[in-house]
Amino acid sequence: IAGITQAPTSQILAAGRRMTLRCTQDMRHNAMYWYRQDLGLGLRLIHYSNTAGTTGKGEVPDGYSVSRANTDDFPLTLASAVPSQTSVYFCASSARGDTADTQYFGPGTRLTVL
Amino acid sequence: KNQVEQSPQSLIILEGKNCTLQCNYTVSPFSNLRWYKQDTGRGPVSLTIMTFSENTKSNGRYTATLDADTKQSSLHITASQLSDSASYICVVSDRGSTLGRLYFGRGTQLTVWP
Repeated sequence: IAGITQAPTSQILAAGRRMTLRCTQDMRHNAMYWYRQDLGLGLRLIHYSNTAGTTGKGEVPDGYSVSRANTDDFPLTLASAVPSQTSVYFCASSARGDTADTQYFGPGTRLTVL
Repeated sequence: KNQVEQSPQSLIILEGKNCTLQCNYTVSPFSNLRWYKQDTGRGPVSLTIMTFSENTKSNGRYTATLDADTKQSSLHITASQLSDSASYICVVSDRGSTLGRLYFGRGTQLTVWP
């Protein structure tokens, strides 16, 4: 069982380019999340999905979009990357999405926008 | 404003020594508090979870305490090992959100020297 996988591991991207970060989980969890982690700041929620077919905005959603076509996959898209989106991105999942759930995190994608 | 503050920001100890990390929060209404360990280049991994009624919980050499009245938690690491070098993140959930809203501290970076 792999848990949560993310791809790519790292990426350098020119500003203005479109980029999709992939996230796949094999735990059949209902809820999935995307966070960004910047030096000196705590993890910040970008978007979340409570179940397949539904998505919601987190704390810092601007410039990002997500889709949840099925239970396992939750891609994050940057339509037109900007340097301020340079960060480490973590995908996470939890069984139900309620406050008692433990979130399980993927290994992260390190994105640099030049 | 819901916040989670951790101290110290960084800590260096010698292998075999004990240490205590602190977390203060203002999140309300409180649901639970977790401590996560994040190794360099990895995603966070849950160490402990405590609800309002619990004031201590252990996971091997890690012992977390919670004082819900003063809104403080600590993570005590006993007989530290080199593998304990990591960032330790305090995460608090509120009961107001149906989506398990999490509030992340900025973490304490622990370095264990031989």
